[in-house]
Amino acid sequence: DTAVSQTPKYLVTQMGNDKSIKCEQNLGHDTMYWYKQDSKKFLKIMFSYNNKELIINETVPNRFSPKSPDKAHLNLHINSLELGDSAVYFCASSTREKVLGETQYFGPGTRLLVL
Amino acid sequence: GQQLNQSPQSMFIQEGEDVSMNCTSSSIFNTWLWYKQEPGEGPVLLIALYKAGELTSNGRLTAQFGITRKDSFLNISASIPSDVGIYFCAGQQGGGNKLVFGAGTILRVKS
Repeated sequence: DTAVSQTPKYLVTQMGNDKSIKCEQNLGHDTMYWYKQDSKKFLKIMFSYNNKELIINETVPNRFSPKSPDKAHLNLHINSLELGDSAVYFCASSTREKVLGETQYFGPGTRLLVL
Repeated sequence: GQQLNQSPQSMFIQEGEDVSMNCTSSSIFNTWLWYKQEPGEGPVLLIALYKAGELTSNGRLTAQFGITRKDSFLNISASIPSDVGIYFCAGQQGGGNKLVFGAGTILRVKS
């Protein structure tokens, strides 16, 4: 009954490799996001997709490429991994309520360590 | 870019004490959210505020959306050990769904 799930939870890899992180939500939400949390715990948005369409792309290197095959899934592919990519990556989802605003729900995170 | 100034940066309090933390910004926000993150987990939504002046409670937690729409506070009453974690404020401006996060308040509770 997990709402927002991510795989893998941990990812350790060598510099220069290509890796993917997957996210799925079963909340019926139409918008999904990727955030990066650095070692100081600062959370910053990377991408947002609404109904499979990219709507936010925050000055992220083009080595990062999100893909949304459908409303319930948003994957993140990272090419040529660098040491500075080491962080926790969180997926989130939300839906816009007519009267109220957006409320975002987060997945458990993927801890990426690049060696 | 937009920034939220969250304070205090950390707190180490005695069990049973009340806690107060706040977020301020130079910009107006239409939505304020408060999240709690425990070690190894993602942020969990505690309280969502959608109207200026709104005061909302969730158990021992109370949060308010400032009248100027540039600030919000979160109070925790009678703290307990399981309140330990990092508390984040987040704001959303009109149009689009981008959330801007504060730097977090680390809460530690002595029992």
